[in-house]
Amino acid sequence: EIVMTQSPPTLSVSPGERATLSCRASRSVSTKLAWYQQKPGQGPRLLIYGASTRATGIPVRFSGSGSGTEFSLTISSLQSEDSAVYYCQQYNSWPPFTFGQGTKLEIK
Amino acid sequence: EVQLVESGGVVIPPGGSLRLSCAASGFTFKDYAMHWIRQAPGKGLEWVSFITWDGYSKYYADSVKGRFAISRDNTRNSLYLQMNSLRPEDTALYFCAKDGGSSSGREVDYWGQGTLVTVSS
Repeated sequence: EIVMTQSPPTLSVSPGERATLSCRASRSVSTKLAWYQQKPGQGPRLLIYGASTRATGIPVRFSGSGSGTEFSLTISSLQSEDSAVYYCQQYNSWPPFTFGQGTKLEIK
Repeated sequence: EVQLVESGGVVIPPGGSLRLSCAASGFTFKDYAMHWIRQAPGKGLEWVSFITWDGYSKYYADSVKGRFAISRDNTRNSLYLQMNSLRPEDTALYFCAKDGGSSSGREVDYWGQGTLVTVSS
């Protein structure tokens, strides 16, 4: 089973600044990596797939990068509505499909 | 607009059985693989099960293998999860989720709002 590890667990950033979230896989997942955003009381929303492709309707301030075992999600020019928990997920080697434990992003 | 609406979540004692349902709309259901993914209260996401577009291939997390069964009815645009021998650790919000492909396992591009299953005496 591929273990996904996200860091940091919590991130606090001011509006207008940039946030960088990290995700590490226990072995290579190529670029079969997705990022999701989850707000309280809601199902997750797909942000990025294929490590760097934005999903339909996702603002350009969200960008993903990386391959192999190291990945990052960058949110430039943070807005208040970006406050959420962010999860990475690998779909290269399954079952099981595995998620990171999440990073909680707080907007100061 | 893609919509996934789960139902069937209840409070149920340990050892009980339950069937969750998911009604899909807004896309050609029979063309896509589907998942069940759960989230224990205050915790992260845990993949539970996956079924290919035609229902012939099914996969399960080790934690539910032998107890849960995924199925689908493409004539009714519906996904199901039969849950048997329920344990307290199965308590979670269960999400129905659409895969981006038909059988190869891809990103989950749409999620429902979830249905809550509580296993407690």
